[in-house]
Amino acid sequence: GQQVMQIPQYQHVQEGEDFTTYCNSSTTLSNIQWYKQRPGGHPVFLIQLVKSGEVKKQKRLTFQFGEAKKNSSLHITATQTTDVGTYFCAPSSSASKIIFGSGTRLSIRP
Amino acid sequence: KAGVTQTPRYLIKTRGQQVTLSCSPISGHRSVSWYQQTPGQGLQFLFEYFSETQRNKGNFPGRFSGRQFSNSRSEMNVSTLELGDSALYLCASSFLTGLGTGELFFGEGSRLTVL
Repeated sequence: GQQVMQIPQYQHVQEGEDFTTYCNSSTTLSNIQWYKQRPGGHPVFLIQLVKSGEVKKQKRLTFQFGEAKKNSSLHITATQTTDVGTYFCAPSSSASKIIFGSGTRLSIRP
Repeated sequence: KAGVTQTPRYLIKTRGQQVTLSCSPISGHRSVSWYQQTPGQGLQFLFEYFSETQRNKGNFPGRFSGRQFSNSRSEMNVSTLELGDSALYLCASSFLTGLGTGELFFGEGSRLTVL
C-alpha cells in the first residue's frame, strides 16, 4: 500500500527564520494536497499540486512537487507567529482516497 | 454557504458501548470522508462515501462502519467501544470533479472519550 513519510516531525524556529517540511511517497502520486491545522482547530486546505515539477507560491509559502511525483515540499520564508500549527501533506494515488502524512508541527519563538 | 457540520461535538462513552456520529456536508458536495485523529497516529483514513456508496476503506476493524444517505449526510458508527477509540473524528466533504480528488473541507470534529 501507499507509504508516506513526512519530515521533520517537529520544528521549532525563531520568528523570521525559514521553515521547510518534506513529504516522501513510496509510490507515484496522482496529486498532492497540503493542509494546515492550527492548535485546537481542524485541517484547512492550502493547495493542490498535480503536475510533475510543479511549483506554486502563496505569499511566503512555496510548494513544490517532485519531477517523479513521489515527493513534495512546503517552504515558508520568514516565519511569523501566525504560521504556528501542524502542516500535513495529503497525497492521493486514487481519485477518492486521500491519505495524510504524519504532519510537521511548527512552533515559533517570538 | 454553510460549512461541514458534525454532531455531537463532544461525547463520553464507556467501554463496550456504541456511538453514532453525524456529518452534514457542504451543500452540493457528494463525497464524504471520515478520519480519526489521535496524538500518536495522526490523521487516519476511515472511509469515503460518494452517492451512498462506500468507495474506499481504511485499515480499521469491522467495529467501524458508516453510511451515506440520499441527501449526502453521513453517519459513522463504532460498536463495542475500546479505550483506544478515544479520538477526534473528523468528517470532510468534497466536490469531486472530473480531474479527480477535490479539496477537502473539514468539520470541527466530534471528540470521543471512552472511559
